[in-house]
Amino acid sequence: RKEVEQDPGPFNVPEGATVAFNCTYSNSASQSFFWYRQDCRKEPKLLMSVYSSGNEDGRFTAQLNRASQYISLLIRDSKLSDSATYLCVVNSKNTNAGKSTFGDGTTLTVKP
Amino acid sequence: EAGVAQSPRYKIIEKRQSVAFWCNPISGHATLYWYQQILGQGPKLLIQFQNNGVVDDSQLPKDRFSAERLKGVDSTLKIQPAKLEDSAVYLCASSLGASGMSYEQYFGPGTRLTVT
Repeated sequence: RKEVEQDPGPFNVPEGATVAFNCTYSNSASQSFFWYRQDCRKEPKLLMSVYSSGNEDGRFTAQLNRASQYISLLIRDSKLSDSATYLCVVNSKNTNAGKSTFGDGTTLTVKP
Repeated sequence: EAGVAQSPRYKIIEKRQSVAFWCNPISGHATLYWYQQILGQGPKLLIQFQNNGVVDDSQLPKDRFSAERLKGVDSTLKIQPAKLEDSAVYLCASSLGASGMSYEQYFGPGTRLTVT
């Protein structure tokens, strides 16, 4: 079983739709969580951190459920420009520093 | 603020040849990461440096891959000899502190390696 698992999709949605992605992780000692966005043939960029209490940034909402070991990303009012791959990242503490584990990503295509 | 710089952007080599990639992180960033991203997969951590010390190289194939970060600034990743399965994008990233402390990672544009 992979440490971080995501539904690869693809998710194909019309503009204006609401779409949600989930990500599960296996290490119960994981400490911090992020969503990164990766456009085709580009590098990943931080979309948002995920806090225990849940957090919102405009049309994007991230939530963490430690008991069930998953995080989610909700995108409301999808735009064409939201088309990308969304990577879930889970950080855990190793002996000297943190270790980041990336999921394989969920691909979103928003269509007109 | 200048971003993470990587070179070359593209490289094509034959199997059994050697290749080296260079990365210059954002100024002041203590932690530097090398990731391998195979098409359709997420980035996989190869090695993580904090300043000029290695803190995690558990997934680095040490029989063929090596990396160094001299003086705690820029870094090189070498593959010798290359195999077909090494074809991937090699991403360098840096962060202000260790990733376990919730610091954002900033990625360079990557080096796309094709081994024929």
